[in-house]
Amino acid sequence: EAQVTQNPRYLITVTGKKLTVTCSQNMNHEYMSWYRQDPGLGLRQIYYSMNVEVTDKGDVPEGYKVSRKEKRNFPLILESPSPNQTSLYFCASSFKTGRTDTQYFGPGTRLTVL
Amino acid sequence: SQELEQSPQSLIVQEGKNLTINCTSSKTLYGLYWYKQKYGEGLIFLMMLQKGGEEKSHEKITAKLDEKKQQSSLHITASQPSHAGIYLCGADSLGNFNKFYFGSGTKLNVKP
Repeated sequence: EAQVTQNPRYLITVTGKKLTVTCSQNMNHEYMSWYRQDPGLGLRQIYYSMNVEVTDKGDVPEGYKVSRKEKRNFPLILESPSPNQTSLYFCASSFKTGRTDTQYFGPGTRLTVL
Repeated sequence: SQELEQSPQSLIVQEGKNLTINCTSSKTLYGLYWYKQKYGEGLIFLMMLQKGGEEKSHEKITAKLDEKKQQSSLHITASQPSHAGIYLCGADSLGNFNKFYFGSGTKLNVKP
């Protein structure tokens, strides 16, 4: 089944404890992206990747790191999480970079930073 | 940056009623996407519009993009409880087509 998977789905952690949220897609998509969703603010793009080893910042990259060493995986790293990073995170992928291509979303990771 | 404004922010309708959600862009749109999200879950792609004046339908949901490509509407006919959720419009950035923006969403509740 074609899908985008994220792990973990739920995570409660404490300030400063490094964490990684994994994202994997099995559709051979070139483009992958991370978003965070907050009440009243909608989804905002954190980072995106056009292909292996090619990543760039979205609108809210502060406090996050990403890497794209394999085409299928795009982990999101929070090296020193803070409470303002409590949010619902979504990973997405699409077949190609550029316009007019539909993104497919993972189920989301609900992160709470105490 | 691209800004997408959705209205209304929330909507409660009686089952069987029609409804419309609007999405207005601060800049000309190249591609406009509609997604649906069940509360706390992932996004499901509904439709993508690209051409001015384009209209697409899927089951009881119709989406339109105006001729100037700055406004889109999503219309649901004879709403059902299964239509409940958050509807989000999204668009590519004109300046950098690898960046993507979403509106803040419209929460829809359908009363049986």
